[in-house]
Amino acid sequence: GQQLNQSPQSMFIQEGEDVSMNCTSSSIFNTWLWYKQDPGEGPVLLIALYKAGELTSNGRLTAQFGITRKDSFLNISASIPSDVGIYFCAFVNFGNEKLTFGTGTRLTIIP
Amino acid sequence: DAGVTQSPTHLIKTRGQQVTLRCSPKSGHDTVSWYQQALGQGPQFIFQYYEEEERQRGNFPDRFSGHQFPNYSSELNVNALLLGDSALYLCASRTGTCMRNYGYTFGSGTRLTVV
Repeated sequence: GQQLNQSPQSMFIQEGEDVSMNCTSSSIFNTWLWYKQDPGEGPVLLIALYKAGELTSNGRLTAQFGITRKDSFLNISASIPSDVGIYFCAFVNFGNEKLTFGTGTRLTIIP
Repeated sequence: DAGVTQSPTHLIKTRGQQVTLRCSPKSGHDTVSWYQQALGQGPQFIFQYYEEEERQRGNFPDRFSGHQFPNYSSELNVNALLLGDSALYLCASRTGTCMRNYGYTFGSGTRLTVV
């Protein structure tokens, strides 16, 4: 089946630091999504990417759809306490309703 | 404007029992998907309902079934519960009219514990 590798599994950073995480797949997809999940809540969509090479920003968040269409990264600049949570990448193909999620990156901010 | 509403929030069931989870989609949304999220994992797609029909199904056994009502709300039923069914069950909704709209809105989930 399709495999999605997300790294790192966890990150411990200080407030104000920049963060980078990525996902790689074994197959080509035409849509990459990045979600954040807070404890006790469902995932919330942060950024959607639809074209290879596409670079999209949402405030302090920036994500890119890899040119090979098999990978994507998410950067967070100048982290703040509310950035704490689990970040998931997910992919999907047009006409397919199934979102396939990665295993997540848990972000913790050290005081 | 209420988002996706799921009930109950927590549930404890005994192995072998049956359970029904409920979901009301976000206002204006007509497509509902269900996901199972085991502890420490990403959500896994169970199935999707649109126009009261199951449109797509993930790799889950027939013990998992669902229903969508004319008001777009949905139920997830699980029969013959196993200990491994313990998980957070998430409902997600979107409008089904835009093929490139993957802005699913997720509910907060139902935490099911099977003992």
